[in-house]
Amino acid sequence: GQQVMQIPQYQHVQEGEDFTTYCNSSTTLSNIQWYKQRPGGHPVFLIQLVKSGEVKKQKRLTFQFGEAKKNSSLHITATQTTDVGTYFCADAGGTSYGKLTFGQGTILTVHP
Amino acid sequence: NAGVTQTPKFQVLKTGQSMTLQCAQDMNHEYMSWYRQDPGMGLRLIHYSVGAGITDQGEVPNGYNVSRSTTEDFPLRLLSAAPSQTSVYFCASSWVGSYPNEQFFGPGTRLTVL
Repeated sequence: GQQVMQIPQYQHVQEGEDFTTYCNSSTTLSNIQWYKQRPGGHPVFLIQLVKSGEVKKQKRLTFQFGEAKKNSSLHITATQTTDVGTYFCADAGGTSYGKLTFGQGTILTVHP
Repeated sequence: NAGVTQTPKFQVLKTGQSMTLQCAQDMNHEYMSWYRQDPGMGLRLIHYSVGAGITDQGEVPNGYNVSRSTTEDFPLRLLSAAPSQTSVYFCASSWVGSYPNEQFFGPGTRLTVL
């Protein structure tokens, strides 16, 4: 089945540094969703990207969908301690419902 | 709205025991699903349902059963627990055909099988 590879697995940054996580697939992604999971919590939806080359921003977070729809990235500018958690990308596989295939996630640690 | 609720929050089982993880949502979502989360492996889909009376297998269905008799409830049954089923289990729900197709997750059940 569809596999979504996410890198890096871990990222440690100093507060104020930038952070990027990448999501890659060998096949075309229908659309990509991003979730954040705080330590001990549950995944929370951040955004969904559908169009080739799409770029969306949410305050300090920038999400991109590759031109070939085979990769996506999440970039956080000037990290804060509140950004700590695991960030997941997920492919919806072309369904009209939420049958998601998740990447392995990137665990972000922010040192004050 | 309570959103997606899961019970219990924590559970310890012995190998071979059976149990049911409960999931309920009050948002009238057609789609419901179960994931398990293991370190370094992301979330993997166990079973899903697109409406009452309709269920299907996900990526890792072995050892688990589901049923969907109502729109609100989607219980996950472990028939004979094994140590490999030690994991965190999340239930999620959403509307069908909506954009964005946001999945709403429950708080999770942390299961240990000894």
